[in-house]
Amino acid sequence: GNSVTQMEGPVTLSEEAFLTINCTYTATGYPSLFWYVQYPGEGLQLLLKATKADDKGSNKGFEATYRKETTSFHLEKGSVQVSDSAVYFCALSDLGGATNKLIFGTGTLLAVQP
Amino acid sequence: NAGVTQTPKFRILKIGQSMTLQCTQDMNHNYMYWYRQDPGMGLKLIYYSVGAGITDKGEVPNGYNVSRSTTEDFPLRLELAAPSQTSVYFCASSYSPGSSYEQYFGPGTRLTVT
Repeated sequence: GNSVTQMEGPVTLSEEAFLTINCTYTATGYPSLFWYVQYPGEGLQLLLKATKADDKGSNKGFEATYRKETTSFHLEKGSVQVSDSAVYFCALSDLGGATNKLIFGTGTLLAVQP
Repeated sequence: NAGVTQTPKFRILKIGQSMTLQCTQDMNHNYMYWYRQDPGMGLKLIYYSVGAGITDKGEVPNGYNVSRSTTEDFPLRLELAAPSQTSVYFCASSYSPGSSYEQYFGPGTRLTVT
């Protein structure tokens, strides 16, 4: 079945460091790919998405490119801030059935130190 | 718009007790979902609904029930609480079944069963 694998955390960085969180997926067909972020004590919110191969999603300085050849959707940011500290979830849309079911990775905790 | 709201925020149950987790959205979304989030794990889909009067099981439905009498509300019922149901529960909604549409999440309910 469809699945998402993302790097385990926690990831601890200093402010202004470069961030990469790896995400790979297994899926039949051409799912859409998402990164959701969960700030402490809050629900998940969409960070960015890509709907087809070679698409690049971007938001708030974060970027991810849909790579079909490597089945990857790695999240990157050039210079992280303390306010980026959160849990990041990679997800794909399950194309089986009539509804937009999401399959999530296990989440990666990012801690940014001043 | 308030978005997706959930009540209560926290609850402690004794084994065998019952409770209902409330979820309401004011975005007129037809599609609604219940997830549980366990430590170190991604979100697992419990139940979902594609419209008022229509519900279906997700990945982990055992021990739960849902109903959808209105577009706005999607309550989750635990009939006989067990320690394995200790988790954080998230309700979500989306506009369309299309795979590129994001899901909007509530702030979550943290449930402990002892």
